[in-house]
Amino acid sequence: QVQLVESGGTVVQPGRSLRLSCAASGFTFSSYAMHWVRQAPGMGLEWVAMISFDGSNKYYADSVKGRFTISRDISKSTLFLQMNSLRGEDTAVYFCARDVVINNNDALDIWGRGTRVTVSS
Amino acid sequence: DIQMTQSPPSLSASVGDRVTITCRASQPISTFLNWYQHKPGKAPKLLIYAVSILESGVPSRFSGSGSGSEFTLTISSLQPEDFASYYCQQTYSTTWTFGQGTKVEIK
Repeated sequence: QVQLVESGGTVVQPGRSLRLSCAASGFTFSSYAMHWVRQAPGMGLEWVAMISFDGSNKYYADSVKGRFTISRDISKSTLFLQMNSLRGEDTAVYFCARDVVINNNDALDIWGRGTRVTVSS
Repeated sequence: DIQMTQSPPSLSASVGDRVTITCRASQPISTFLNWYQHKPGKAPKLLIYAVSILESGVPSRFSGSGSGSEFTLTISSLQPEDFASYYCQQTYSTTWTFGQGTKVEIK
């Protein structure tokens, strides 16, 4: 079935780096833009980054621009989020999600269950 | 960036109640407005896209309306499985934003 499974979350010290992965299955990964969304403890959803279906366009929230990089490996149907210079405020559950275009509108129709990142010394 | 303001931040309601959540964008966003439901420990779920179109499988008690910069999510008769957090989201700009969320709790 259509599925997204995140991995890579762990406890990491401030200033260090971490790479998250999102394995896609059950659909043609190369046909869809993909996103990362996060939820800090006790807070709401925050959109983090987006990559177009072919990887040619990438967009980032101001809070992560210059520190995080989104990428994808079509051959492995996997989405990545490289997170550098991590800060305490990056502590969150990170979700990957599929972007579907319906009636000329984008929406996130398939989500993973998330992977937890804790930034702490 | 486009700011999305939801109200109320939380509400208490009973099974069978009609519930309305409002979302205001800091500028007009045409029909680029979606609603999601999120329960703790689960993946968020798309409820409504393009302001008012129900995602497949979503019960008809959910509806969306609005235009320009003011939007509403309505649950016509709250069911036990509807107790969750709800988020609006704009996809008008290249950088998307969510509202702060509305937590619907049992009265």
